[in-house]
Amino acid sequence: ETGVTQSPTHLIKTRGQQVTLRCSSQSGHNTVSWYQQALGQGPQFIFQYYREEENGRGNFPPRFSGLQFPNYSSELNVNALELDDSALYLCASSVPDSQETQYFGPGTRLLVL
Amino acid sequence: DAKTTQPPSMDCAEGRAANLPCNHSTISGNEYVYWYRQIHSQGPQYIIHGLKNNETNEMASLIITEDRKSSTLILPHATLRDTAVYYCIVRVARGSQGNLIFGKGTKLSVKP
Repeated sequence: ETGVTQSPTHLIKTRGQQVTLRCSSQSGHNTVSWYQQALGQGPQFIFQYYREEENGRGNFPPRFSGLQFPNYSSELNVNALELDDSALYLCASSVPDSQETQYFGPGTRLLVL
Repeated sequence: DAKTTQPPSMDCAEGRAANLPCNHSTISGNEYVYWYRQIHSQGPQYIIHGLKNNETNEMASLIITEDRKSSTLILPHATLRDTAVYYCIVRVARGSQGNLIFGKGTKLSVKP
């Protein structure tokens, strides 16, 4: 059974650009959640996708958007990048059981210059 | 805001048990206690979770007090590779409210 994978591992963008990050969920997991982790902080919840629909969102502006595909993989899109968007972006997929434990991928490190 | 309180840092000697405390005095009846750890710049790793009863797996043991207001994660024989930030999180089991709210965690340093 493969774990959660994310691509790319590292990315450098400039202010105002757009970025797309990708996540492949663990086999059999139908829920994907995205988190942002700034340097020295704990991860912060961005949003969750279940069956291709957004299913809960944290305190992030609309320029953070996402998609989930029929194979349960997911994308995080960020428009109009700001310097403060520099962070580690984490994807987690959930076991579809009664407790939906989340398992994280290795993350994508985004640097905005 | 995180619903848990953890000490910012702890040290442990290699080979000894590491006992990491967590206070969650406002926990609700339908909330589980979860523990994750994060080794520098990697994604958080799931360790263990529980509702009321003590739990044990191949990585750790989780002891939850009877009133459920606090818990302790026990790593029975800490190794240098257990050096990490450990997060204690309370969450409802599923649905849109089940996202993880991370606090600052406890930075555990295992020393030779």
